[in-house]
Amino acid sequence: GAVVSQHPSRVICKSGTSVKIECRSLDFQATTMFWYRQFPKQSLMLMATSNEGSKATYEQGVEKDKFLINHASLTLSTLTVTSAHPEDSSFYICSARDRILGEQYFGPGTRLTVT
Amino acid sequence: GESVGLHLPTLSVQEGDNSIINCAYSNSASDYFIWYKQESGKGPQFIIDIRSNMDKRQGQRVTVLLNKTVKHLSLQIAATQPGDSAVYFCAENKEGEGGSTLGRLYFGRGTQLTVWP
Repeated sequence: GAVVSQHPSRVICKSGTSVKIECRSLDFQATTMFWYRQFPKQSLMLMATSNEGSKATYEQGVEKDKFLINHASLTLSTLTVTSAHPEDSSFYICSARDRILGEQYFGPGTRLTVT
Repeated sequence: GESVGLHLPTLSVQEGDNSIINCAYSNSASDYFIWYKQESGKGPQFIIDIRSNMDKRQGQRVTVLLNKTVKHLSLQIAATQPGDSAVYFCAENKEGEGGSTLGRLYFGRGTQLTVWP
């Protein structure tokens, strides 16, 4: 089946620094990828839609200048959490939509801890 | 705002019994619904989906029922096994601007299913 990877799987960073998370579709092309955030014992919250070759679309209440998204190729989207704070600590999950089949596949998630 | 929610946050069942997990949605324009299973520390895993023009769909040991009249979705797991223990989410797809379906998924609260041996 289709595979989506995320890197890193876990990251710890200091408050005020930036951290980049990668989302890759390994065996299919994805013109659209999605970024979600999940706090402990809560549901997944859609943050933004990443569009290859164009600007990301952010959900209401998500700061686009804080969560920078770049979708530079058909297999890679990156999420950069800028000036991270402890409240940004969360589980970040991406999904990728197969541009041919339309199916959507989730990555394994990235655990971000900001100290 | 409109959202997808779940009735029960936790569900405990005996191994071998059938499980029923419920979900209520509020957006009557949603045309596609998906059930996901999420194990601790992992990403969601697709279980089964259903489109709004259907009211029932069956997979291996799982059945999804959609009642559009009352905006209710349920997941039935037959002969529940310990490996089914996880959090189950329903998600709805909302169409994007211009009528195109962008695939944005909105998740419900989740139900923690625990299966006892």
